[in-house]
Amino acid sequence: DTAVSQTPKYLVTQMGNDKSIKCEQNLGHDTMYWYKQDSKKFLKIMFSYNNKELIINETVPNRFSPKSPDKAHLNLHINSLELGDSAVYFCASSQAGHSILYFGPGTRLLVL
Amino acid sequence: QQQVKQSPQSLIVQKGGISIINCAYENTAFDYFPWYQQFPGKGPALLIAIRPDVSEKKEGRFTISFNKSAKQFSLHIMDSQPGDSATYFCAASIRNNAGNMLTFGGGTRLMVKP
Repeated sequence: DTAVSQTPKYLVTQMGNDKSIKCEQNLGHDTMYWYKQDSKKFLKIMFSYNNKELIINETVPNRFSPKSPDKAHLNLHINSLELGDSAVYFCASSQAGHSILYFGPGTRLLVL
Repeated sequence: QQQVKQSPQSLIVQKGGISIINCAYENTAFDYFPWYQQFPGKGPALLIAIRPDVSEKKEGRFTISFNKSAKQFSLHIMDSQPGDSATYFCAASIRNNAGNMLTFGGGTRLMVKP
């Protein structure tokens, strides 16, 4: 009965690799997000996406791309991973017009 | 540019005491101010939220105080308990057609000592 789930929970990879993180929500929400939490716990919005519009935080490198196969999923693809990409990535969802975000458990990415 | 500034970064409180976390924002267009609680290894979860048309909101031991003219809001945790030990984030957003992207403060690590 998990509301927002992410896989994998942990991801350890080498610099230069390409990786994906999957996110699924079963809340029937129509807006999903990706947030990055750095080592100092700072949470930063990366993307906001619904079936109409993708909003990209302008500071996010174009190596990061969200892909949504359907309304319940928003995956995050990362190309050419760099050491600075090491962080915890959180997926979240909300209902359009509602401000409450529901977060997933996070994916801990370590780039070596 | 950090639009939501949070203090203190860390806080130690004795059991039964009052925990106070403060936030200040810059963008007057923000119209929703939630607080999220995050336990280690978990995602943030909504704790309590307020809109700028009220000055205070209370839910159990948790109270938000909001000062629109000063562009500040704070979280008070009364009778703090060891189970309240977590990282707390204030946030702000502007409701728009594309969703509600939250801008978070830097977080406060709260430790409540037994």
